[in-house]
Amino acid sequence: EDQVTQSPEALRLQEGESSSLNCSYTVSGLRGLFWYRQDPGKGPEFLFTLYSAGEEKEKERLKATLTKKESFLHITAPKPEDSATYLCAVQPGGSNYKLTFGKGTLLTVNP
Amino acid sequence: EAGVAQSPRYKIIEKRQSVAFWCNPISGHATLYWYQQILGQGPKLLIQFQNNGVVDDSQLPKDRFSAERLKGVDSTLKIQPAKLEDSAVYLCASRVSGGSVEQYFGPGTRLTVT
Repeated sequence: EDQVTQSPEALRLQEGESSSLNCSYTVSGLRGLFWYRQDPGKGPEFLFTLYSAGEEKEKERLKATLTKKESFLHITAPKPEDSATYLCAVQPGGSNYKLTFGKGTLLTVNP
Repeated sequence: EAGVAQSPRYKIIEKRQSVAFWCNPISGHATLYWYQQILGQGPKLLIQFQNNGVVDDSQLPKDRFSAERLKGVDSTLKIQPAKLEDSAVYLCASRVSGGSVEQYFGPGTRLTVT
């Protein structure tokens, strides 16, 4: 059974204080690892897809990296508008492209 | 490009009542998903459609939940009868199909069962 564990559950940062969120996973034949951002009262917003160990992707202050067992979402010099829940999900190989999500990390950035 | 549309946005019902949610995916997206997100949890897949056929409904509580996608476009998810533990946000997502892997989510319907 595919499993995704995210840590920490909650993270509070000061504006400009860089940090990382962790996503560890077990999956049979990883097709892709996904990061989503979810704001209160909204659906998840797609951020990144990572396909293989060693891959990195960046978007503004966010950088996602992938190893064979975990992924990190690095947040550089965060701003209050980066406050949200960040969800990690894995997609195994196979035909149905299903996603298994972690519980998420609630990030709060204080001004 | 319009995103995934869902309605209603909020619904409050009493236990044992029935409720239905509607989803219209992004135009041209052949694959449609329904997820349940309980407060403090990540989304959990309930059912996946490819056009109007079911691909995966292994986690759908079939004694009370049903879903259909009759014309391969919009979809409805129904709960009958509802239980207290069904209180959650019901998210619809769509994917263009083929080799594309990314799923795009709608805003969700927040269901409260009292």
